[in-house]
Amino acid sequence: GAGVSQTPSNKVTEKGKYVELRCDPISGHTALYWYRQSLGQGPEFLIYFQGTGAADDSGLPNDRFFAVRPEGSVSTLKIQRTERGDSAVYLCASSLYGTSGRVADTQYFGPGTRLTVL
Amino acid sequence: KQEVTQIPAALSVPEGENLVLNCSFTDSAIYNLQWFRQDPGKGLTSLLLIQSSQREQTSGRLNASLDKSSGRSTLYIAASQPGDSATYLCAVQGGSEKLVFGKGTKLTVNP
Repeated sequence: GAGVSQTPSNKVTEKGKYVELRCDPISGHTALYWYRQSLGQGPEFLIYFQGTGAADDSGLPNDRFFAVRPEGSVSTLKIQRTERGDSAVYLCASSLYGTSGRVADTQYFGPGTRLTVL
Repeated sequence: KQEVTQIPAALSVPEGENLVLNCSFTDSAIYNLQWFRQDPGKGLTSLLLIQSSQREQTSGRLNASLDKSSGRSTLYIAASQPGDSATYLCAVQGGSEKLVFGKGTKLTVNP
């Protein structure tokens, strides 16, 4: 499997619980992105990692959302005190360089994690 | 703030027809534009990437054009097939790494 993988594929939780969503990027890709897609909408940017550091977290909706990429490969998106409005498909993508468009750098997406907050 | 609009929201055509999907964006200062395909319950598959210096890209039956100054792109699909049925998303990349997406066009190709 050479593509981006995400686990779990589906997650059902109760309001107020904590959840973790995992992303395994394509091997060797330095850039990793998280997006959130609500029903009938296009994906919306959450956060971008270049290596281990979060280069842009401007899309995180509030401080209940946090993401890490400690070794520059696998990333985990963490959501505290989940709310019903957090229900969406969370998509992860990776790209080889992530160099602000200096290189035409296709983002490759995983299948997503469907989060349902009851 | 960059905004991306896709028209139409949904399109239903008979098999074999040629079709055009439209994408417009408000800020012409982009580095590139990508077209993606999304099947139900699946992630996004990149179809074509056009750099800002390019006018078009072709892959098989797909052709994407870019008019950066007017903020428009089109995706042309020739000789459509039922297997082309999916949602097609347009996304632009500006000064940051993030992609800004439209809401997509849901295409149904009827046998």
